[in-house]
Amino acid sequence: AQSVTQLDSHVSVSEGTPVLLRCNYSSSYSPSLFWYVQHPNKGLQLLLKYTSAATLVKGINGFEAEFKKSETSFHLTKPSAHMSDAAEYFCVVSDTGFQKLVFGTGTRLLVSP
Amino acid sequence: GAGVSQSPRYKVAKRGQDVALRCDPISGHVSLFWYQQALGQGPEFLTYFQNEAQLDKSGLPSDRFFAERPEGSVSTLKIQRTQQEDSAVYLCASRRQGSNQPQHFGDGTRLSIL
Repeated sequence: AQSVTQLDSHVSVSEGTPVLLRCNYSSSYSPSLFWYVQHPNKGLQLLLKYTSAATLVKGINGFEAEFKKSETSFHLTKPSAHMSDAAEYFCVVSDTGFQKLVFGTGTRLLVSP
Repeated sequence: GAGVSQSPRYKVAKRGQDVALRCDPISGHVSLFWYQQALGQGPEFLTYFQNEAQLDKSGLPSDRFFAERPEGSVSTLKIQRTQQEDSAVYLCASRRQGSNQPQHFGDGTRLSIL
């Protein structure tokens, strides 16, 4: 079965500094990987997805992620954090077959002024 | 709007009552998923529809949970004889035809069982 592990439950950064949210995956085949963001009391918004094309994936709002097969990682980065980036971030892998999503436990990003 | 719409946004019920949660997917989206998100956790898969066919219900926690999508569009998740452990946010997602298409989520229904 496919799974993802988010290595940090909370990450705190200052506005304007870089963001790094870490994710490792486990998959027996070439996976489809996603990052979703969830703001309080809102649904999940897709930031970016990797589906075996380019290993560096650019998403919305300045986020990007790099797929590293040798490290089984798919870390999310952003060069400069904004206050509006404060939210819960989920690393997600799609399962085989009809591709239900398997979510990590989430990383809460806190951005201070 | 063009997004996935869920109603109600909030539902409070007494233990033992039945509840029904509605999902309106994006028009033309063939696939529909239900997920359950407990407080402080990531969403977990409940069930999947392709058009009106329920192809997987392996994530439904008990036989008190039932989902339908009779005309291949709107879906309803029903929970009978609710229990406190059913309290969670229930998320619906829809997806276009094609396995590499992303899932688009609604804002969810927050269910609280007293």
